[in-house]
Amino acid sequence: DAKTTQPNSMESNEEEPVHLPCNHSTISGTDYIHWYRQLPSQGPEYVIHGLTSNVNNRMASLAIAEDRKSSTLILHRATLRDAAVYYCIGGADAGGTSYGKLTFGQGTILTVHP
Amino acid sequence: GAVVSQHPSWVICKSGTSVKIECRSLDFQATTMFWYRQFPKQSLMLMATSNEGSKATYEQGVEKDKFLINHASLTLSTLTVTSAHPEDSSFYICSAGLSVDYEQYFGPGTRLTVT
Repeated sequence: DAKTTQPNSMESNEEEPVHLPCNHSTISGTDYIHWYRQLPSQGPEYVIHGLTSNVNNRMASLAIAEDRKSSTLILHRATLRDAAVYYCIGGADAGGTSYGKLTFGQGTILTVHP
Repeated sequence: GAVVSQHPSWVICKSGTSVKIECRSLDFQATTMFWYRQFPKQSLMLMATSNEGSKATYEQGVEKDKFLINHASLTLSTLTVTSAHPEDSSFYICSAGLSVDYEQYFGPGTRLTVT
């Protein structure tokens, strides 16, 4: 899996957009970029994933740099329920033997202020 | 989405005893499940890959004789912490995924406290 680098923490105000950056300069061409988040005392929750193109779903958007060495998770309107640790993970493509195997870094602690 | 459950959600046991944690995929079949451990204020650490009908694959540094994994069916994997000690106190989390997409579904976790 690719090593990822994320800021330790970020803060946002409620109803404002949040941009969570991630660097993954060693990512291989077939590695997907996954984002999960974890609320206190809960298991992680899938947020979004992508390979090359930007991706949108009901939870968030994922903007992937053209060289794929970095990506940004975008929460369009942060709510208090979005306060969590956000993990960016590079790797685990479906066709590989490591499919599903996720290597978690330290993540970014997102604090949302009312 | 698919649901993964864990039982128990928390357990307290005495040092030297064994504890079994169950991980179930409720509405899908999972040939592969993963077990993670998380200490307070730390990230998740992958312990092992549980394969249905075969031996588990353990990550480097994880004692296979201490953390016994059994994946006897397509919907159930169990992790048994044998001869537990206080340093085994942690949050244990399992995950599983569908073969047709990339999303991993995580259980709610089991908090183990060894006294």
